[in-house]
Amino acid sequence: DAGVTQSPTHLIKTRGQHVTLRCSPISGHKSVSWYQQVLGQGPQFIFQYYEKEERGRGNFPDRFSARQFPNYSSELNVNALLLGDSALYLCASSQGVVNTEAFFGQGTRLTVV
Amino acid sequence: AQSVTQPDIHITVSEGASLELRCNYSYGATPYLFWYVQSPGQGLQLLLKYFSGDTLVQGIKGFEAEFKRSQSSFNLRKPSVHWSDAAEYFCAVGPDFISNFGNEKLTFGTGTRLTIIP
Repeated sequence: DAGVTQSPTHLIKTRGQHVTLRCSPISGHKSVSWYQQVLGQGPQFIFQYYEKEERGRGNFPDRFSARQFPNYSSELNVNALLLGDSALYLCASSQGVVNTEAFFGQGTRLTVV
Repeated sequence: AQSVTQPDIHITVSEGASLELRCNYSYGATPYLFWYVQSPGQGLQLLLKYFSGDTLVQGIKGFEAEFKRSQSSFNLRKPSVHWSDAAEYFCAVGPDFISNFGNEKLTFGTGTRLTIIP
C-alpha cells in the first residue's frame, strides 16, 4: 500500500509569490494534518482537516490556508511568501478515530529566496 | 497550553551501548504521548505511543518508553544501539481525542539528534 504522498518534493519560490503544496493520504484515511518544520526545530501544527472540515488550526497567519477534497487529499496554500516560510512542510494522515496514529509523508522542502 | 521539552539537543553514544532520551511534557489532562524518529531529509516514523494502561510501552526497532505521571516524563530507551539508529528523535504530546472533538494536533519537542560512534 502506498504511504502518504506529497508533491512536489522540493520547491524554490521568490518572496511575495504564492505556493500550493499537495498531499494524498493513505487509502482509507479521512484526516489530514499539516505541519511546518523549520531547520533545527520540531514540527509545528498548521491545520487539521477531517471529512473536508477544519478540525484544528495552529498559530499561523492568514496567509496560510488549506482545504480537503472529497477524495480526502489536501492542499496547503501559502500567499505572499516570506523568507521565514522556508521549511519542510509535512503532511500526516490518520483514520480520524479514537487512538489512531498519524502517518507522515516525506515532506515538501520549500525554499523562499 | 501543552508543551514538550527535550533537554538534550545532541547525544553521542557508542554502538552497542544503552540509550535514554529524555522527554518532559506539560499538559492539563491525560496526555497522549508519542516518540517519532526522523532520518535526514525524511518524514517522521512513529516508534511508539502511549494512550493509557501499562506505563511501559514497547515500540518498533527495540525501543521502549516509560510514562511517569509524577515526573511528567516519557523517556525513550534502548538497551543496545545500532549504527542505523543515528537520526533525530522527537517526543510529542497530543490531546485526548474525544474531549477535544477529534482534534489531533501534535505538539513536538525540539528534538534530540543521536550520533552513534563505532
